[in-house]
Amino acid sequence: EAGVAQSPRYKIIEKRQSVAFWCNPISGHATLYWYQQILGQGPKLLIQFQNNGVVDDSQLPKDRFSAERLKGVDSTLKIQPAKLEDSAVYLCASSLDVGPYNEQFFGPGTRLTVL
Amino acid sequence: GNSVTQMEGPVTLSEEAFLTINCTYTATGYPSLFWYVQYPGEGLQLLLKATKADDKGSNKGFEATYRKETTSFHLEKGSVQVSDSAVYFCALSDRQTSGSRLTFGEGTQLTVNP
Repeated sequence: EAGVAQSPRYKIIEKRQSVAFWCNPISGHATLYWYQQILGQGPKLLIQFQNNGVVDDSQLPKDRFSAERLKGVDSTLKIQPAKLEDSAVYLCASSLDVGPYNEQFFGPGTRLTVL
Repeated sequence: GNSVTQMEGPVTLSEEAFLTINCTYTATGYPSLFWYVQYPGEGLQLLLKATKADDKGSNKGFEATYRKETTSFHLEKGSVQVSDSAVYFCALSDRQTSGSRLTFGEGTQLTVNP
């Protein structure tokens, strides 16, 4: 079974530029998550989708971050404009359904460097 | 709010040594507890989990017991191998207060030398 796919794997941009990340979850997984992992810290949830609806975006900096999951499959996360403190690894994860009993499977992540 | 605290790292051990990585948590509800592992260049993988007090999760020789009285979920392995070198994250999910969101600790880098 194919895992969670993410692209690009690495991205370097200058501050105030825009960037977008793409995630393709495991086939059949209804729930999709985006996490931000700053160097030396554990991942922090940015947004959670159930199918194509947002379940939790309480920790998403909405003035610059946006995400969508059209058709309830692939998802994109956008940052506009980027700041230096956005340098991090952005992880996408998916699970069959919501709830702590559903294992979350993580992709390899996109490492973003903002100069 | 919910939080997870892991022992400060990094940890360096010799092969076949005993491993303990401490993890304590704060939660307002009744959380499920997890250990995730991140091997170099790879994504996070679930190592083991426990969903209620006194449950013991185990996998690949690793064990952790959900201790509600001490709010702890320490990871142990009796004899580590070089291949266990990775970053280990303790995490919780508290459905009552935050749905299926995982709250992670800071991670502990483990290096096992031959």
